[in-house]
Amino acid sequence: DGGITQSPKYLFRKEGQNVTLSCEQNLNHDAMYWYRQDPGQGLRLIYYSQIVNDFQKGDIAEGYSVSREKKESFPLTVTSAQKNPTAFYLCASSIPGRLNTEAFFGQGTRLTVV
Amino acid sequence: AQSVAQPEDQVNVAEGNPLTVKCTYSVSGNPYLFWYVQYPNRGLQFLLKYITGDNLVKGSYGFEAEFNKSQTSFHLKKPSALVSDSALYFCAVRDEAGRRALTFGSGTRLQVQP
Repeated sequence: DGGITQSPKYLFRKEGQNVTLSCEQNLNHDAMYWYRQDPGQGLRLIYYSQIVNDFQKGDIAEGYSVSREKKESFPLTVTSAQKNPTAFYLCASSIPGRLNTEAFFGQGTRLTVV
Repeated sequence: AQSVAQPEDQVNVAEGNPLTVKCTYSVSGNPYLFWYVQYPNRGLQFLLKYITGDNLVKGSYGFEAEFNKSQTSFHLKKPSALVSDSALYFCAVRDEAGRRALTFGSGTRLQVQP
């Protein structure tokens, strides 16, 4: 079954800790994205990557970091510099360079600071 | 810069009645428009997209959307609502002149009453 797998589904973080959210896809897509979802604010772009070993900041990149060492994987690290990390995080992928293609989403990770 | 507005936080409709969820957009070049649906604590599911051609686009689960270039709108419609249509709906845009990542609206919660 092709798709995007995010893990874990729920994650709890203590203040001052870094945590890493996993995103793996087997759709053979070059482009991958991370979005943050807060109630009433829709989805905001954190980082995106059009190809392996390359990524760009989105609208709210401060306090986050990513890597793209493999085509299939695009992990997101929420650092202690992110002041309000409690949110629902969504990973997506698509075929780059084709504007008419939709993005496919994982099931999300809900991060809570305790 | 590309942007999307969903002016209604919530839409209430009785089962069997037609529904409309509104979306307007702003882009520099030609727009590529998408609708997604989200159920609680899940990722986004693709419903339909407008690329070029017919202004009335048909998608999954009986949904359709009407593209209006002069009004820069892409409203989601369904002739007869079901209780199971109750969910959060997102409109998104990709601009041929802008960045490749989708930009999302703030979402509209659809509540269908039995």
